[in-house]
Amino acid sequence: GENVEQHPSTLSVQEGDSAVIKCTYSDSASNYFPWYKQELGKRPQLIIDIRSNVGEKKDQRIAVTLNKTAKHFSLHITETQPEDSAVYFCAAATGTASKLTFGTGTRLQVTL
Amino acid sequence: ETGVTQTPRHLVMGMTNKKSLKCEQHLGHNAMYWYKQSAKKPLELMFVYNFKEQTENNSVPSRFSPECPNSSHLFLHLHTLQPEDSALYLCASSQDRDQPQHFGDGTRLSIL
Repeated sequence: GENVEQHPSTLSVQEGDSAVIKCTYSDSASNYFPWYKQELGKRPQLIIDIRSNVGEKKDQRIAVTLNKTAKHFSLHITETQPEDSAVYFCAAATGTASKLTFGTGTRLQVTL
Repeated sequence: ETGVTQTPRHLVMGMTNKKSLKCEQHLGHNAMYWYKQSAKKPLELMFVYNFKEQTENNSVPSRFSPECPNSSHLFLHLHTLQPEDSALYLCASSQDRDQPQHFGDGTRLSIL
């Protein structure tokens, strides 16, 4: 089955800096890659997703890049703010978007 | 955002008890999901329902029994659970199986 690895497990950046989180996947047939943000005690919230027919997608300060050849995708957050502090999860799915395999999460801390 | 509602938010039960978790979505979605979130482990997909029909059972022990009476409601019936079943159980829904998933706040389950 699919295996998703996520790095780093923790990331600390200063406010205003950029943050990058990377994930690799094992199934070359995977075609859907969402990213979720989970604040402490709250639900995971979808922040951006990308499908395999696109190499990059951007939404304001957040962007995701996909390298199908290398089987990895990354989340980029620019101009980080304290409210970006949370745990971020990547995931991958093959076929439909229903059968998601998640990474282990990255705890991002944005310091003042 | 309160589109996916889970009750109860917290549940403590003994190993011999029988209880049920409830999930309700008000988004008009047709697919619903159960996930298990344990500390330091990736979110694990348990079950997928599409138009009330179960389409995925991710090798979940039979002590977890899902029920989907209609596209808006999803239950997880619990009986004879083990201490390792203590976790956050998350429900999610999506418009169809190929659309992004939206999560509820979860039920924090503790097995004594």
